[in-house]
Amino acid sequence: KAGVTQTPRYLIKTRGQQVTLSCSPISGHRSVSWYQQTPGQGLQFLFEYFSETQRNKGNFPGRFSGRQFSNSRSEMNVSTLELGDSALYLCASSSQTTYNEQFFGPGTRLTVL
Amino acid sequence: GQQLNQSPQSMFIQEGEDVSMNCTSSSIFNTWLWYKQDPGEGPVLLIALYKAGELTSNGRLTAQFGITRKDSFLNISASIPSDVGIYFCAGLDPGGSQGNLIFGKGTKLSVKP
Repeated sequence: KAGVTQTPRYLIKTRGQQVTLSCSPISGHRSVSWYQQTPGQGLQFLFEYFSETQRNKGNFPGRFSGRQFSNSRSEMNVSTLELGDSALYLCASSSQTTYNEQFFGPGTRLTVL
Repeated sequence: GQQLNQSPQSMFIQEGEDVSMNCTSSSIFNTWLWYKQDPGEGPVLLIALYKAGELTSNGRLTAQFGITRKDSFLNISASIPSDVGIYFCAGLDPGGSQGNLIFGKGTKLSVKP
């Protein structure tokens, strides 16, 4: 079974731009969570989607948004990028039966200049 | 918000040594997870714990879910060079927030020079 895939793996943007990251979960997994990882703050929860609905959202500004499609693929968008948005963005998927066990993709490394 | 206190922050290992790390929380968690992250990759799930007092092994790795449900430890026996990496403990938000894993800051394992 293929793992979680994320595209692109690396991205360089400038302040004020917007960016869209993509995540394809493990086949059959309907829950997708997004996390931001930085050296200072560690891994922080952004939001979680299940069956195209956002079930939960972390403590991030409204510039961070996401969506999920009917095939469970998910995208997250960051608008008006700031230098502090530079981070590794990770998505994780889980199944309904073992929903506590989240499987992570390799991440997208975003650098904002 | 919820926090997991993970220690030690870093440690150096010599091949063949046993390693121990732990995680504590001020809140009760119903699930404890241990992940390992290699540079440039996403976290990989090592062990999942669901019951207080549960002891689970995965090869040379052993993890336990504390009786109080506020702590967990991970042991690595007879360490090998590929054990190097960052180990994270994580728990599902006890506030019931769906899909939200709370992570410790990580224990960085390095090889003794």
